Amino acid sequence: DVKVTQSSRYLVKRTGEKVFLECVQDMDHENMFWYRQDPGLGLRLIYFSYDVKMKEKGDIPEGYSVSREKKERFSLILESASTNQTSMYLCASSLVQEETQYFGPGTRLLVL
Amino acid sequence: GQQLNQSPQSMFIQEGEDVSMNCTSSSIFNTWLWYKQDPGEGPVLLIALYKAGELTSNGRLTAQFGITRKDSFLNISASIPSDVGIYFCAGHRGSNYKLTFGKGTLLTVNP
Repeated sequence: DVKVTQSSRYLVKRTGEKVFLECVQDMDHENMFWYRQDPGLGLRLIYFSYDVKMKEKGDIPEGYSVSREKKERFSLILESASTNQTSMYLCASSLVQEETQYFGPGTRLLVL
Repeated sequence: GQQLNQSPQSMFIQEGEDVSMNCTSSSIFNTWLWYKQDPGEGPVLLIALYKAGELTSNGRLTAQFGITRKDSFLNISASIPSDVGIYFCAGHRGSNYKLTFGKGTLLTVNP
């Protein structure tokens, strides 16, 4: 079974803090993705990575950066957290050229 | 980014009833996926469809890839309380790694 894990289920941070969300997958997948999920807006792609040290912007990259130093790990970084970044963050992974993405359990982030 | 038109947005049904939901798009997709998200969890893949006209079942779930390649349907038969959750459709065009998602159908099942 594919396993995607996220470092925290719940996180509370203050405005202006630097926030790291970590995602690890154990199936040797090349592709990894970060989404945010908000009521009424569905899933929106923030960034994705198709190889180590490779990344591409998704639909809403502003205010975020990512890091992929190892194949199994993909980190999402909020350089200076703001209240409008309060959301559910979902990580996913997939094999190269395969459509099916496997999701982690999500991190619910609250920025005060 | 583009999103799929998924309907209905929400459904309230009695246990035992059948459920239908669908996704439509103005664009053609090569693959359709259906996910379920339990409250507080990440989406889990239910069914994947790879060919126009394909009809695939997974237990009480049946999904179809529309002939036009612009739509897909998910049916749940004889619903049970654990069917509660958000159901998402997702489409893939084959040109890159990205999925296009519907906004989800929130299903509530009254015992």
